[in-house]
Amino acid sequence: SQKIEQNSEALNIQEGKTATLTCNYTNYSPAYLQWYRQDPGRGPVFLLLIRENEKEKRKERLKVTFDTTLKQSLFHITASQPADSATYLCALDSNSGYALNFGKGTSLLVTP
Amino acid sequence: GAVVSQHPSWVICKSGTSVKIECRSLDFQATTMFWYRQFPKQSLMLMATSNEGSKATYEQGVEKDKFLINHASLTLSTLTVTSAHPEDSSFYICSARRAGGPDTQYFGPGTRLTVL
Repeated sequence: SQKIEQNSEALNIQEGKTATLTCNYTNYSPAYLQWYRQDPGRGPVFLLLIRENEKEKRKERLKVTFDTTLKQSLFHITASQPADSATYLCALDSNSGYALNFGKGTSLLVTP
Repeated sequence: GAVVSQHPSWVICKSGTSVKIECRSLDFQATTMFWYRQFPKQSLMLMATSNEGSKATYEQGVEKDKFLINHASLTLSTLTVTSAHPEDSSFYICSARRAGGPDTQYFGPGTRLTVL
């Protein structure tokens, strides 16, 4: 069966450091992979999309890598800030058209 | 741009009643909208895909007669939870894909349903 796995434990880092979150998947051949941010009691907010033929993508302090051989994506936040504290979700396209399958998310806490 | 709203943001109802949740794309047309459900500490689970002008496609295990979906226009989809029970209490989130747009989806803020 298809699985999307993210770091199950919360990630605590100090302000200014780089946070690295992992997303591994099995039994998928995704055309693209997406990362979303979700704050408590809110809907997900789109951050980045990376396609299967792209190795890396950047947006401001965010960087995503996509290794289709390892079936893994890494999500980096550089110079992290307390405002970056949230749950980050990895999502892949599903078999249902453009619908998405999500991982459980990784909770990030950035402390001053 | 690409704003999706949901109404209501939260609702509390008695067991056995029906609840309607609206999902609107405010500044774009969405031929396809999606309904997800999220239980505490869990991931978003796709319930159904809603296409404008046609019947919704439900995921396995989701009762179509219990979760009625209507996509009446290019900017509005509704989810009605019929005869709600406490186990239906959850966070319901819709998303919309912009017609002819990129592969990203835009999510609503979610609706917290509590069934007593």
